[in-house]
Amino acid sequence: DTGVSQNPRHKITKRGQNVTFRCDPISEHNRLYWYRQTLGQGPEFLTYFQNEAQLEKSRLLSDRFSAERPKGSFSTLEIQRTEQGDSAMYLCASSFDRDEYYEQYFGPGTRLTVT
Amino acid sequence: GDSVTQMEGPVTLSEEAFLTINCTYTATGYPSLFWYVQYPGEGLQLLLKATKADDKGSNKGFEATYRKETTSFHLEKGSVQVSDSAVYFCALSEGFQKLVFGTGTRLLVSP
Repeated sequence: DTGVSQNPRHKITKRGQNVTFRCDPISEHNRLYWYRQTLGQGPEFLTYFQNEAQLEKSRLLSDRFSAERPKGSFSTLEIQRTEQGDSAMYLCASSFDRDEYYEQYFGPGTRLTVT
Repeated sequence: GDSVTQMEGPVTLSEEAFLTINCTYTATGYPSLFWYVQYPGEGLQLLLKATKADDKGSNKGFEATYRKETTSFHLEKGSVQVSDSAVYFCALSEGFQKLVFGTGTRLLVSP
C-alpha cells in the first residue's frame, strides 16, 4: 500500500471558479478526514466520514464546500465560487476503527491558490 | 471547545543540544494526545502518542509524558540532530475522532 494519495497536488484557480479535490485513502481504512491548513497554522478539521456516511462537519465548512465519499472508498471535496480566503493546503487523512488508537495517516495535501 | 497551545518558534539549536517544545491543552473530556512531525516537503507523520494520564509516548529518541494535573504534553529529546529539523505539531483527540492541532513549532538544528 502506498499510503493516502491526493490529487491534484497543486491547483491555481481564479476567484469565483469551482474546484474539486480527490483523496484516496489507505485501502481497508473506513474513516476519512479532511483538514485545512493555512500558512503558519496547524491543520483545522473540516469533516469526516465513516464508510460513506458523513458524521461530522465543522462550522468552517460553509455552504460553498461539499464533501462526498461514494461507496466508502475515495472522497472528493468541492469548493464552489472560490474566494481568496480559500487559499490553503487541504489535507486528507484516513484511519481504521479497529486499530487500537485509530491512528490517522495523512496524505501530502493539495495546495490551492485562488487568484 | 478543545484547544492546544504550543510554544512559538522557530526553535534554533545546535546539534546534540537538548530539546523541549512545550504543549498545553484544554479539553472537556479525557483526550488522547499526539505529536505529529512535518519534514520539509513531506506530509504529516505521527511521531508519538499517549492515551491516559502518566503515559509516556516515545519514538526516535523523542519523549512526551501525559500530565493531566498540568494539562501538558511537552516534547523532549536529549540530543537533536540536523535531520530533526522540521515542524512539530501537538494535537489532541477526544473519542479517537477529529484531531485538534496546535499552531506548530518549527525546529532548526545547525551542525
